[in-house]
Amino acid sequence: DADVTQTPRNRITKTGKRIMLECSQTKGHDRMYWYRQDPGLGLRLIYYSFDVKDINKGEISDGYSVSRQAQAKFSLSLESAIPNQTALYFCATSDAMGGPTDTQYFGPGTRLTVL
Amino acid sequence: AQTVTQSQPEMSVQEAETVTLSCTYDTSESDYYLFWYKQPPSRQMILVIRQEAYKQQNATENRFSVNFQKAAKSFSLKISDSQLGDAAMYFCAYRRGHDMRFGAGTRLTVKP
Repeated sequence: DADVTQTPRNRITKTGKRIMLECSQTKGHDRMYWYRQDPGLGLRLIYYSFDVKDINKGEISDGYSVSRQAQAKFSLSLESAIPNQTALYFCATSDAMGGPTDTQYFGPGTRLTVL
Repeated sequence: AQTVTQSQPEMSVQEAETVTLSCTYDTSESDYYLFWYKQPPSRQMILVIRQEAYKQQNATENRFSVNFQKAAKSFSLKISDSQLGDAAMYFCAYRRGHDMRFGAGTRLTVKP
């Protein structure tokens, strides 16, 4: 079984709809992240969470919100989707910040299309 | 803000040959991490190799090695004995604390 899972893998929605992307991990990591990937821009950080009670905005948080329901679950919401939020979304986890195992592990991605 | 630049949008290599992918970054920090990730058509982001900035020795992982030039802020990836399965997008990334920045990627094609 995959260590980091994302649901759904693909989603098509309409402008103005609320949508939630979910991420679960079995790695036991405290830190979780949401990124979006656009062609030619690489990945950009949306939100990150160091533990259940600690959530922080990333580089491009406008239009998004998150919820850390448990250590293993981190959800990303688009309250009112717009077409320029069409992108590939990745969840990632890590077990340390600045330590010898400071590596992020990524889920398989969710391709979101907003019409 | 730290930026990561991959100046080669596309590269190609003959199977069994060697290819080098370039990456430069901009930072005023002295302690950070650098990574190369591979993204095949499956979309999965796969860690290829990592380098701690405080280490002078270049990291190696089997056929993958890096040339880390801290003063020049350069972090290139060398793939030796290229295989068809190496075909993918490759992303260079810089990380300090929670701040992780990615380059725009290099698409590598491997010719049989």
